[in-house]
Amino acid sequence: GNSVTQMEGPVTLSEEAFLTINCTYTATGYPSLFWYVQYPGEGLQLLLKATKADDKGSNKGFEATYRKETTSFHLEKGSVQVSDSAVYFCALRNNNAGNMLTFGGGTRLMVKP
Amino acid sequence: NAGVMQNPRHLVRRRGQEARLRCSPMKGHSHVYWYRQLPEEGLKFMVYLQKENIIDESGMPKERFSAEFPKEGPSILRIQQVVRGDSAAYFCASSRSGENYGYTFGSGTRLTVV
Repeated sequence: GNSVTQMEGPVTLSEEAFLTINCTYTATGYPSLFWYVQYPGEGLQLLLKATKADDKGSNKGFEATYRKETTSFHLEKGSVQVSDSAVYFCALRNNNAGNMLTFGGGTRLMVKP
Repeated sequence: NAGVMQNPRHLVRRRGQEARLRCSPMKGHSHVYWYRQLPEEGLKFMVYLQKENIIDESGMPKERFSAEFPKEGPSILRIQQVVRGDSAAYFCASSRSGENYGYTFGSGTRLTVV
């Protein structure tokens, strides 16, 4: 079946530090991959996506590259801000398994001034 | 164009009562998905509906839980005889048909069973 594994948090960084949140997946076929962000008390917002191997998704300074050979979709940002503090979820959608998303457990990021 | 609207935002129920959670999809969206987020955990798929049809309910507990998406009106997730373990955030998402990217989530309903 499908599964997504994320690094456990919390991840605590100082402002302007480099961020990496690891995400690996297991799926049959060719899934689409996503990063969602959840700010305190809110729902999930789509941060970025990639639909095929070697695609790079990017948004608001965040990037992630779909690596089929390592089944990974690591999230990176060169310089984090306090406002990036949130929980980040990696997810996949497998066209062979309906329209639902399979989520990782989430990684809490805390950025200190 | 309003996003996915869920209500209520917060719901408190005593054990044994019924909980009804509502979700109005974005305009033009005919697919609705319900997910549950337990404290400090990721989201787990519950059910996928289109208008008047349940497409996939593989993530729905077999007892006490039901969902519908009528021809008119919002989608409803219904939990009968709630127990403490039902306390969670319930998120609804919607999409148009044939979308090949992530869909739009609502802000969730936080259910607390006391």
